[in-house]
Amino acid sequence: EIVLTQSPGTLSLSPGERATLSCRASQSISSSYLAWYQQKPGQAPRLLIYGTSSRATGIPDRFSGSGSGTDFTLTISRLEPEDFAVYYCQQYGSSPVTFGPGTKVDIK
Amino acid sequence: QVQLQESGPGLVKPSETLSLTCTVSGGSISSYYWTWIRQPPGKGLEWIGYIYYSGSTSYNPSLKGRVTISLDTSKNQFSLKLSSVTAADTAVYYCARLKAGGGMDVWGHGTTVTVSS
Repeated sequence: EIVLTQSPGTLSLSPGERATLSCRASQSISSSYLAWYQQKPGQAPRLLIYGTSSRATGIPDRFSGSGSGTDFTLTISRLEPEDFAVYYCQQYGSSPVTFGPGTKVDIK
Repeated sequence: QVQLQESGPGLVKPSETLSLTCTVSGGSISSYYWTWIRQPPGKGLEWIGYIYYSGSTSYNPSLKGRVTISLDTSKNQFSLKLSSVTAADTAVYYCARLKAGGGMDVWGHGTTVTVSS
């Protein structure tokens, strides 16, 4: 099983700041199969990024993904008020599909 | 656009079988992996398993053979059965569509299942 570790656990930032979220895998992942999701309280997760760096439909360009091998990053260039949420990385290239534990981005 | 809707009992007794259905509307059930995910209260996301439109399945081994996912193409539905439930199976259960190489791009709103006598 591929274990995903996310850091930091919580990121306290102000609107307008840049957020950098990390996801590290216990073994190499094909970049085609790494995704990022955003989840707000009481809502289902929403796909932001798939294939490491491709934005899902309707996702603003302030969200970007990068990385390869075992290290991946989600960057939010300038935080908007609606971006404060929990973010999960996920690998879906090998079974079982696994999620990271999440990074909470909250308002400083 | 494609929408997913979970349905099923919100309360299940310990040792019984949890049964949920996900109805797919606005699109075909073909060519995707139809997936179940759950989220215990205050915790992260756990993949339960998926079924491909051809009928092949993959399950999370952590659930120790308690899971069955099936597909009814005539009704555009797929279903989850989780047997021998305990309180640890209390969670919000989501269904989602997984595209090969494209992530889980469509999710249901989720349904809360509580295991309690």
